Amino acid sequence: RKEVEQDPGPFNVPEGATVAFNCTYSNSASQSFFWYRQDCRKEPKLLMSVYSSGNEDGRFTAQLNRASQYISLLIRDSKLSDSATYLCVVNKGGTSYDKVIFGPGTSLSVIP
Amino acid sequence: EAGVTQFPSHSVIEKGQTVTLRCDPISGHDNLYWYRRVMGKEIKFLLHFVKESKQDESGMPNNRFLAERTGGTYSTLKVQPAELEDSGVYFCASSQPRLGADSGANVLTFGAGSRLTVL
Repeated sequence: RKEVEQDPGPFNVPEGATVAFNCTYSNSASQSFFWYRQDCRKEPKLLMSVYSSGNEDGRFTAQLNRASQYISLLIRDSKLSDSATYLCVVNKGGTSYDKVIFGPGTSLSVIP
Repeated sequence: EAGVTQFPSHSVIEKGQTVTLRCDPISGHDNLYWYRRVMGKEIKFLLHFVKESKQDESGMPNNRFLAERTGGTYSTLKVQPAELEDSGVYFCASSQPRLGADSGANVLTFGAGSRLTVL
């Protein structure tokens, strides 16, 4: 089993749609969780950290369920500019606390 | 504030040649990481420096890869001799030192990557 797994995608949605991405992680010692966004041929950039209580940043909402080892990202009112690959990132925890592991990514295309 | 800088942005070499990639982290960031993305695969961890010390090099594929961070500032990643399967994008990232044992892992800031093509 991979350490971080994500919805395989791709997701093709019309502008204005709501889309949700799911991610699961295998290491119960993980403590820090992030969503990164990667545009084509660019570097990953932090979209948002994910907190235990859930957090929202404009149209983006992240949720964490530690019991199920599950993270989600909800994008409301999708824009064309949201088209990118969304990467679920989790720190390994334990003795490798500062090492982060990337999921394979979920591709999103927002269509006019 | 300058971001993470990587050089070269793209390198094309022949199998058996040597390539050295360089990363300049954000000033003051003790943590420096190398990651790699090969075609069609997820981004994979290579190694992690804390200042000049290798904290974790469990992701280094084999002994053809050598990373250094002399003086705890910039880092180099040398591939010698390069093989076809080494082609991919090599990302460097840096982060500040954690404030304490109970604080979360710090956010990584990535460089634009060095694309390596081995022919």
